[in-house]
Amino acid sequence: DGGITQSPKYLFRKEGQNVTLSCEQNLNHDAMYWYRQDPGQGLRLIYYSQIVNDFQKGDIAEGYSVSREKKESFPLTVTSAQKNPTAFYLCASRGTVQETQYFGPGTRLLVL
Amino acid sequence: KNEVEQSPQNLTAQEGEFITINCSYSVGISALHWLQQHPGGGIVSLFMLSSGKKKHGRLIATINIQEKHSSLHITASHPRDSAVYICAVNFGNEKLTFGTGTRLTIIP
Repeated sequence: DGGITQSPKYLFRKEGQNVTLSCEQNLNHDAMYWYRQDPGQGLRLIYYSQIVNDFQKGDIAEGYSVSREKKESFPLTVTSAQKNPTAFYLCASRGTVQETQYFGPGTRLLVL
Repeated sequence: KNEVEQSPQNLTAQEGEFITINCSYSVGISALHWLQQHPGGGIVSLFMLSSGKKKHGRLIATINIQEKHSSLHITASHPRDSAVYICAVNFGNEKLTFGTGTRLTIIP
């Protein structure tokens, strides 16, 4: 089955701790995206990558970092610099520009 | 400023009713997307359109480029249609700008 997987489903972060959210796709898509969703707000773009070994900041990149070493993987690290990390994080990927984005099931991050 | 507005924010209807959700945007776009988010959080793409009308089963999406407006219609609504429906647009680039969503509840 082709699709996008995210893990874990729930993640707990302690104060001052970095945590990494996994996103893997087997759709052979070049472009991948990370979004953050907060209650009452639309999804906001954190980072995106159009090709391996390249990525760009989105609208709310501060406190986050990413890597794109493999086409199928786009992990997101929430650093200790992100002061309000509690949110629902969604990963997406896209093939050609004419195609829509496919979303993963999401990871809910909570701060202890 | 590139903005996307949806209405209504919340919609409750009886099973079988015809549902309309609206989306307006501020400037020209290259494409508009309708997405469905289930209670568990997963998002599914319903439609991607840049003009005219698309239909899939009981779902119909229309877009009026001149008026910068799109509608999502659900015919013969069913409780399993209960979800958050999200409008998102490409303002001439590959990044998506999202509306805040419409929470639809269909009562049996």
